[in-house]
Amino acid sequence: QSALTQPASVSGSPGQSITISCTGSITDVGGYDYVSWYQQYPGKVPKLIIWDVINRPSGVSDRFSGSKSGNTASLTISGLQTEDEADYFCASYTRSTTLVFGGGTKLTVL
Amino acid sequence: EVQLVQSGAEVKKSGESLKISCQGSGYSFTSHWIAWVRQVPGKGLEWMGSIFLGDSDTTYSPSFQGQVTISADKTFNTAYLQWSSLRPSDTAIYFCARASLLPTFHDYWGQGTLVTVSS
Repeated sequence: QSALTQPASVSGSPGQSITISCTGSITDVGGYDYVSWYQQYPGKVPKLIIWDVINRPSGVSDRFSGSKSGNTASLTISGLQTEDEADYFCASYTRSTTLVFGGGTKLTVL
Repeated sequence: EVQLVQSGAEVKKSGESLKISCQGSGYSFTSHWIAWVRQVPGKGLEWMGSIFLGDSDTTYSPSFQGQVTISADKTFNTAYLQWSSLRPSDTAIYFCARASLLPTFHDYWGQGTLVTVSS
């Protein structure tokens, strides 16, 4: 199974909104509403920020939102803050009852 | 409080065997999956496989099938990741992570175990 496709980097200014895409296929992203997103700071443990496409764990800011259309899922961060600068990874459940991650996107807050 | 505590860093030589561990606490261990995720420093996350602690059902990524073995001991609330013959390309940080009844997302993560393999 191939990794999901994410842009290598995105950037935005404080206060702006950005969207990170995550493209797979009908056997993963398109076939299930089981996309999750993780935030990871350098040298730190990944943190779950979105599960099952649209749900936020308790304690995660409502500036983070998820969506999906066809084989592409998206993470939107609104009201960008400097603390949002991190790496973001999507993941999807697959037809093979496994999980597959995206390659990761580095978010830079200018 | 849910916690996953992993064993410490390892330095090994090519061809040696290794078993690292992940001990859970603060939740019903047998009601959840535990996955292993690899991260080469500076690179992305790679899902390796997972085990359901209730019945030891195990699933592997095709990329890691046959390369590693995932196991668990319910008595000690512990999951394991094992190699029979390490390679320098196995040098990475290995995270364990909890999932629920389906291995669809991971809500709690261990602190990571750095494995360094020299040739």
